[in-house]
Amino acid sequence: EDQVTQSPEALRLQEGESSSLNCSYTVSGLRGLFWYRQDPGKGPEFLFTLYSAGEEKEKERLKATLTKKESFLHITAPKPEDSATYLCAVRTLGGYNKLIFGAGTRLAVHP
Amino acid sequence: GAVVSQHPSWVICKSGTSVKIECRSLDFQATTMFWYRQFPKQSLMLMATSNEGSKATYEQGVEKDKFLINHASLTLSTLTVTSAHPEDSSFYICSARDVGLSYEQYFGPGTRLTVT
Repeated sequence: EDQVTQSPEALRLQEGESSSLNCSYTVSGLRGLFWYRQDPGKGPEFLFTLYSAGEEKEKERLKATLTKKESFLHITAPKPEDSATYLCAVRTLGGYNKLIFGAGTRLAVHP
Repeated sequence: GAVVSQHPSWVICKSGTSVKIECRSLDFQATTMFWYRQFPKQSLMLMATSNEGSKATYEQGVEKDKFLINHASLTLSTLTVTSAHPEDSSFYICSARDVGLSYEQYFGPGTRLTVT
């Protein structure tokens, strides 16, 4: 069964304290891994898509990387406004266009 | 670009009534739209996939007669919760995929449904 697991469940950082969020996956065939940010009471906001191992993408303080088994979302020198839930999702072979979501990591950045 | 809207943003209805939620892609055409449900502090649960001009495909355990989905055009999909009950209270979110080559889904802001 295709599965996506995110860790940690929650993370508390001080402003400027860099860290990484993990998304591990067990799927029949990966056809894309997606990172989203979700603020409370709002819909997810698209961040990145990664398709193949070794691929990296960056946006401001965020950098996403992909291996054959997992993806990392690195947050460099975070600010309080980076506080949100970060969701990882995969599109799989045979899953057509459906995304399978992980449970998310709730990030809190304190000044 | 890639903006998806939902209406209403929140709704309160009485038990036994029906509620319609609209999902629109504002600046792109969406052959496929998705409907999700999210409970507090939980991740998104896919309810159904709708393709323009055809019947929706529902996930296992989702009652298709209770959650009616219509995708009448490339920019509009609707979810109607029929005979709503308090257990249907939730955050409903739609997403849309551009007809282009990318597979990203762009999400609407969500609709908070409360059934009293």
